[in-house]
Amino acid sequence: NAGVTQTPKFRILKIGQSMTLQCTQDMNHNYMYWYRQDPGMGLKLIYYSVGAGITDKGEVPNGYNVSRSTTEDFPLRLELAAPSQTSVYFCASSHEADNQPQHFGDGTRLSIL
Amino acid sequence: ILNVEQSPQSLHVQEGDSTNFTCSFPSSNFYALHWYRWETAKSPEALFVMTLNGDEKKKGRISATLNTKEGYSYLYIKGSQPEDSATYLCAFNDYKLSFGAGTTVTVRA
Repeated sequence: NAGVTQTPKFRILKIGQSMTLQCTQDMNHNYMYWYRQDPGMGLKLIYYSVGAGITDKGEVPNGYNVSRSTTEDFPLRLELAAPSQTSVYFCASSHEADNQPQHFGDGTRLSIL
Repeated sequence: ILNVEQSPQSLHVQEGDSTNFTCSFPSSNFYALHWYRWETAKSPEALFVMTLNGDEKKKGRISATLNTKEGYSYLYIKGSQPEDSATYLCAFNDYKLSFGAGTTVTVRA
């Protein structure tokens, strides 16, 4: 059972570079989310999607973009990497928003130097 | 941005002791309250999703209660074991999840 798969697991970027964090799920979940983990702050929602073609901003969307062309995939793009974006990024998915738990990927640890 | 607060931030428990900690959330527009267990170097795993006032959920030695009218949930660990050491996150669901900062539990053998 693959569940939610994130790639890469680790990455170091230089300031100003761009990259895409990949997330795919095989559970046919409509809802997908991107979070970042900041020390002592828990998880902050970056973007979410309720289905293919539909995305919306979360709490901390600045500096990021997303797309949702298929049910399975929800990539997160950093266009101009900044040191403040150094974090651990988690992708998650769920069937519906209300009473279903979210299933998390293993995370991508991103350092921007 | 919803204010979800967890207390205490951390606690240390002797093996075999029981403990509990709190999640506070807005009492209006309630949909669901989630609890997740997050071990170091792993990803969060769902423990409970609670939707009704007065809900009580149990999973092994871990249980949770919910009071939506006053906006709080308690998580209890009975007879703590070293493998219970983790950060426990609660999240308030009003269409999307707002997470608290977590309570980190360390169980000492």
